Amino acid sequence: AQSVTQLGSHVSVSEGALVLLRCNYSSSVPPYLFWYVQYPNQGLQLLLKYTTGATLVKGINGFEAEFKKSETSFHLTKPSAHMSDAAEYFCAVSPSGGYQKVTFGTGTKLQVIP
Amino acid sequence: SAVISQKPSRDICQRGTSLTIQCQVDSQVTMMFWYRQQPGQSLTLIATANQGSEATYESGFVIDKFPISRPNLTFSTLTVSNMSPEDSSIYLCSVEKDTDSGANVLTFGAGSRLTVL
Repeated sequence: AQSVTQLGSHVSVSEGALVLLRCNYSSSVPPYLFWYVQYPNQGLQLLLKYTTGATLVKGINGFEAEFKKSETSFHLTKPSAHMSDAAEYFCAVSPSGGYQKVTFGTGTKLQVIP
Repeated sequence: SAVISQKPSRDICQRGTSLTIQCQVDSQVTMMFWYRQQPGQSLTLIATANQGSEATYESGFVIDKFPISRPNLTFSTLTVSNMSPEDSSIYLCSVEKDTDSGANVLTFGAGSRLTVL
């Protein structure tokens, strides 16, 4: 069984400030972890993923996330927010090993204040 | 990566009617997935559609309510039958994008936003 918890359904940051979106997961086996972004009226697109290897993964648009097994976390960060980062962000988990069902969190809407 | 086209993009429907959502992919894919995205809730997998076999439904979803067709490797439809206001949601089609890493990385269509009155 697996689940994802995203803390904060809405997060507001000022333009240029640090973005931190929190994600905690539970999985009975080693997980694969994902962050997806959804812009208004668009489908979800992959920001980054962790499968194996380096625990700090870099994605598109300057985002990165760190897999911390001891904390069962996969928080998403970006050093400096841009207005174009305003969107909804979804954390997701799947068991490792071949195709497995992906479980999504409830999403966090990021607002960037000029 | 695959490009997914969904239609309709949005619709307003009357209670008791049915609506079919189409999903077209620009490349052949083995598995296609249908998700529901309700306001304030996570994406929920409705079913997995494989070409040449019946769709596999997740717990809480049944074929009579959400019949799925998968006539070939680039196309699928999801029908929402006998709709009620509780079916108002965004319905998303997705396919597996990246098999190199061994992870199920998904590409999504833009979604079909249904409002049931």
